[in-house]
Amino acid sequence: DAKTTQPTSMDCAEGRAANLPCNHSTISGNEYVYWYRQIHSQGPQYIIHGLKNNETNEMASLIITEDRKSSTLILPHATLRDTAVYYCIVTSGGSQGNLIFGKGTKLSVKP
Amino acid sequence: DGGITQSPKYLFRKEGQNVTLSCEQNLNHDAMYWYRQDPGQGLRLIYYSQIVNDFQKGDIAEGYSVSREKKESFPLTVTSAQKNPTAFYLCASSETGGGKTQYFGPGTRLLVL
Repeated sequence: DAKTTQPTSMDCAEGRAANLPCNHSTISGNEYVYWYRQIHSQGPQYIIHGLKNNETNEMASLIITEDRKSSTLILPHATLRDTAVYYCIVTSGGSQGNLIFGKGTKLSVKP
Repeated sequence: DGGITQSPKYLFRKEGQNVTLSCEQNLNHDAMYWYRQDPGQGLRLIYYSQIVNDFQKGDIAEGYSVSREKKESFPLTVTSAQKNPTAFYLCASSETGGGKTQYFGPGTRLLVL
């Protein structure tokens, strides 16, 4: 699975959009981009995933560049409850099927 | 409600003792996973099972054992051979193996007395 690079931390004002970047320059054609988040001392929560088209659901939007080497997770109206560590994961779903979680981005939403 | 449950939330282990962490899911998922998370770190795979009565070692299986006798249950035993067991343990499941969307339980925090 391709490696991802994310900023260590980011701040966002409550009510504003939070844009979390992820670089995955070695992504291959059959690999998906997944986003999870982990609120302190809880299990990770699935947010969204995509292959090459932009995706949107009730939680967030995922924008993938045309060359697929980077993506951005957008939380349109961040709230204090969105404070968490956000993980960007690239996977083809190999034989193990596990997801490789790096250190992610610590998003702090401030009032 | 459908989901994954883990128990207990906190578990204390004495030196030389085996302890078992419970993981149950009612999502009818075929695949289940155990991860370990150390403070400030990402998750590391301990064991995974893609189907009942079958399981495979992950990246850090030494000192751990599992069983998968029922589709909905995947208990993890931390044996006395695991010399540094203090960590946050997370169980997950997915419809099938192969990196499909995984759903996580709330976790069990294991502490050594």
